Amino acid sequence: GAVVSQHPSRVICKSGTSVKIECRSLDFQATTMFWYRQFPKQSLMLMATSNEGSKATYEQGVEKDKFLINHASLTLSTLTVTSAHPEDSSFYICSARDYRGGVTNTGELFFGEGSRLTVL
Amino acid sequence: EDQVTQSPEALRLQEGESSSLNCSYTVSGLRGLFWYRQDPGKGPEFLFTLYSAGEEKEKERLKATLTKKESFLHITAPKPEDSATYLCAVRRDRGGSNYKLTFGKGTLLTVNP
Repeated sequence: GAVVSQHPSRVICKSGTSVKIECRSLDFQATTMFWYRQFPKQSLMLMATSNEGSKATYEQGVEKDKFLINHASLTLSTLTVTSAHPEDSSFYICSARDYRGGVTNTGELFFGEGSRLTVL
Repeated sequence: EDQVTQSPEALRLQEGESSSLNCSYTVSGLRGLFWYRQDPGKGPEFLFTLYSAGEEKEKERLKATLTKKESFLHITAPKPEDSATYLCAVRRDRGGSNYKLTFGKGTLLTVNP
């Protein structure tokens, strides 16, 4: 399957600082990437859809000013957690669809390795 | 609202002991049911997509089936390396390029040697 890479895999920061997480599609171009959040023993929750060259679409209840998303190229999307607080500590996972098959009904969504954020 | 319920929450098997995981779903206009495997501290790894009732897919010791209300992930003669959390997700037809998966909480499978 397609390869999606995230960096960093782990990050620890102080409360009030901002943290940037990168998501790259390594062997395909992704016009759309997705950011998920996962709490322990909970479901993955979609936070936002990142669209190359345009504004991200945020799910209900997700603060767009706190979780800044930039999708500047066809292979890179970034998530910046601004003024992080302990309650933002979580596992953040990005994903992307590989459209090379040209079939928009293709369901395969490939995920990155995830980034564990701990805010002290 | 879409709902995905997975059972059991946790399952312990002995190596070679076959079993099934269940995923019950409620969604308007199913546009795909997905199974993923997730190892601790890692992102989900894609396993299968099922689109219509009656469809089945297989991969090594895993076989996924789909009905109008639920999906099963059958594990035949599991090995310790099959230990992981198995996630089920559904996609609803929201039109256009809108793409959102609703995930269940997963089933933690442990296979003892």
